[in-house]
Amino acid sequence: AQSVTQPDIHITVSEGASLELRCNYSYGATPYLFWYVQSPGQGLQLLLKYFSGDTLVQGIKGFEAEFKRSQSSFNLRKPSVHWSDAAEYFCAVGLTDSWGKLQFGAGTQVVVTP
Amino acid sequence: EAGVVQSPRYKIIEKKQPVAFWCNPISGHNTLYWYLQNLGQGPELLIRYENEEAVDDSQLPKDRFSAERLKGVDSTLKIQPAELGDSAVYLCASSSLAGASYNEQFFGPGTRLTVL
Repeated sequence: AQSVTQPDIHITVSEGASLELRCNYSYGATPYLFWYVQSPGQGLQLLLKYFSGDTLVQGIKGFEAEFKRSQSSFNLRKPSVHWSDAAEYFCAVGLTDSWGKLQFGAGTQVVVTP
Repeated sequence: EAGVVQSPRYKIIEKKQPVAFWCNPISGHNTLYWYLQNLGQGPELLIRYENEEAVDDSQLPKDRFSAERLKGVDSTLKIQPAELGDSAVYLCASSSLAGASYNEQFFGPGTRLTVL
């Protein structure tokens, strides 16, 4: 069965420090991969997506993610976090055998300290 | 451009009562999704519409949940009767034609349901 795993439920990072959020997937084929961010009381916003091509993907708000087929991973990174990056981050897989259906991970809560 | 609109934002009801959630997608988006988000978890798809047609409702608990999108624009999700375990956030999302590719899904702020 397909699955998306975000191993870190909660991460605390200092403002200005780098951030990396992990995402692993289990799927028979190469899926479509997404990262979303959810701020309190708001809907999810797409940060970036990977369909094919260059495995390093640039997104909005200074985020990037790298697809590693050998590790079935799609980790999200930001070189220097800002207080406004405090939010919950979700990795999602777009299933090609159930077109249009996204399967989300459980999310990683990011806390930014001064 | 207005985003996905959902109402109400919060709803508190007693168990066994009915409840309905409304969603108005982004203008021109023909694909509409309803998701359930339990506390501490990612969203789970309940139903997906393309225009008026429900093309994927395999995860919708049909004994108590129903949805409609009569004119292919706004949509209503209903629960009758509600159970304690239905307490969650119900998210609506929309996208342009999903059949051709994985177009970006735009999410509304959600409706937080509390069943007492």
